[in-house]
Amino acid sequence: GENVEQHPSTLSVQEGDSAVIKCTYSDSASNYFPWYKQELGKGPQLIIDIRSNVGEKKDQRIAVTLNKTAKHFSLHITETQPEDSAVYFCAAKRTSYGKLTFGQGTILTVHP
Amino acid sequence: DVKVTQSSRYLVKRTGEKVFLECVQDMDHENMFWYRQDPGLGLRLIYFSYDVKMKEKGDIPEGYSVSREKKERFSLILESASTNQTSMYLCASSFSGQGVYTEAFFGQGTRLTVV
Repeated sequence: GENVEQHPSTLSVQEGDSAVIKCTYSDSASNYFPWYKQELGKGPQLIIDIRSNVGEKKDQRIAVTLNKTAKHFSLHITETQPEDSAVYFCAAKRTSYGKLTFGQGTILTVHP
Repeated sequence: DVKVTQSSRYLVKRTGEKVFLECVQDMDHENMFWYRQDPGLGLRLIYFSYDVKMKEKGDIPEGYSVSREKKERFSLILESASTNQTSMYLCASSFSGQGVYTEAFFGQGTRLTVV
């Protein structure tokens, strides 16, 4: 089955800096890669996703890149703000099969 | 506004008890999932269901069972609760369909403590 590895497990940055979280996956048939943000006391919520036919996608301060050959994808947050502090999860799945496999999570702390 | 609702935010149960965690979604989704969240381990899939009365084992099904009698409701059952099942439990749902990149919507979680 699919295995997703996520690094780092914790990340601390100053407000205004950039943050990068990296994930690798094992199943070459995976073709959908979402990123979820989990705030304290809440369930994870989708913030951005990328399909395997796209190398990069951007949404305001958030961007995701995908390298299918190397089987890794990354989340980039620019101009970080304290409200970006949360746990971030990457995930991978095949669109033909409903199961999402998650990474271990990254605790991001943005210091004012 | 889409919604996945878990019946309890916090539960405390005794070892050996039978525990029911309930999840309801109002989006007419075919797929429903139960995940367990533990620090450093991420979200691990316990069971999922792609249709009424259908279920498939996830990565860590031991000690758990599920029930899906209606499309909107998916129940997780701990047959005999043990202390190593103390965890945060998350329910999720999504649309199904070939070639559809479907977002999973999560409930707020149930923090279960087994004493």
